[in-house]
Amino acid sequence: KNQVEQSPQSLIILEGKNCTLQCNYTVSPFSNLRWYKQDTGRGPVSLTIMTFSENTKSNGRYTATLDADTKQSSLHITASQLSDSASYICVVRNSGTYKYIFGTGTRLKVLA
Amino acid sequence: DGGITQSPKYLFRKEGQNVTLSCEQNLNHDAMYWYRQDPGQGLRLIYYSQIVNDFQKGDIAEGYSVSREKKESFPLTVTSAQKNPTAFYLCASSKEHRGGVFSTEAFFGQGTRLTVV
Repeated sequence: KNQVEQSPQSLIILEGKNCTLQCNYTVSPFSNLRWYKQDTGRGPVSLTIMTFSENTKSNGRYTATLDADTKQSSLHITASQLSDSASYICVVRNSGTYKYIFGTGTRLKVLA
Repeated sequence: DGGITQSPKYLFRKEGQNVTLSCEQNLNHDAMYWYRQDPGQGLRLIYYSQIVNDFQKGDIAEGYSVSREKKESFPLTVTSAQKNPTAFYLCASSKEHRGGVFSTEAFFGQGTRLTVV
C-alpha cells in the first residue's frame, strides 16, 4: 500500500537549535520526494525535491537526505528561527499512477 | 505577479446548501488539483484536471463536483451530498500531470477554510 509516514508528529525546540524530521515511505514505483513547509492557515510551499539518484540537497538552512534503498528521507533544519514554526510535509510521487502521496506532517514549534 | 489564488479565505455553509470555492492560476499550468486537509491527516485528492474540459475523480470525490472550462480556472462545488464538509481546502497546479520531475511540482493556493453552521 502506498503510504508516507512522518515522525515525530510534533516537536518543540529552542531558537538556534538544530532538528531533524523523518519521513518513511512505501510508495512504489518511486518518482520523487518533496518536502513542503506549511504555515498555519496557509498553503504548502516547496522546500526541496529529491529524485532517485540524489542523496542530499540543501536549501539554505534546510538539508534533505534520501535513502532510496531503505525508503527513508530526513529534513534537517540548522540554527532554527522563530519563522521555522510550521508544519513540514513529506510528499512522494508514484511514477505509475502519477499521484502524490502526502504524509500527515510534523508540526514544529520554535521557542525564543 | 504569477501565482495561484483561492477565494474566499473563509466560507460558511448552511446545512443543505451547495457552495463553490474559486481557484484561479496565471502560471499557464495545464494540471490543476483540489485537496482536502483535515487535522491529523495527509492531504487527500478530491478531483484533478490534466487539461481544459477534462477532469478525473480523486480518492474522495463523493459530494463534490468540478468544472474546467478555462485553463486558468478550476472551481470546486461542495454539494449538500457531502456529509462532513468542514475542512481546509487547497487548490494546486502543476505545469503537467505526467511530465518530468520539475514540470510536476505542485504550487498551492492559500486555502479556503469551509465551516458548516
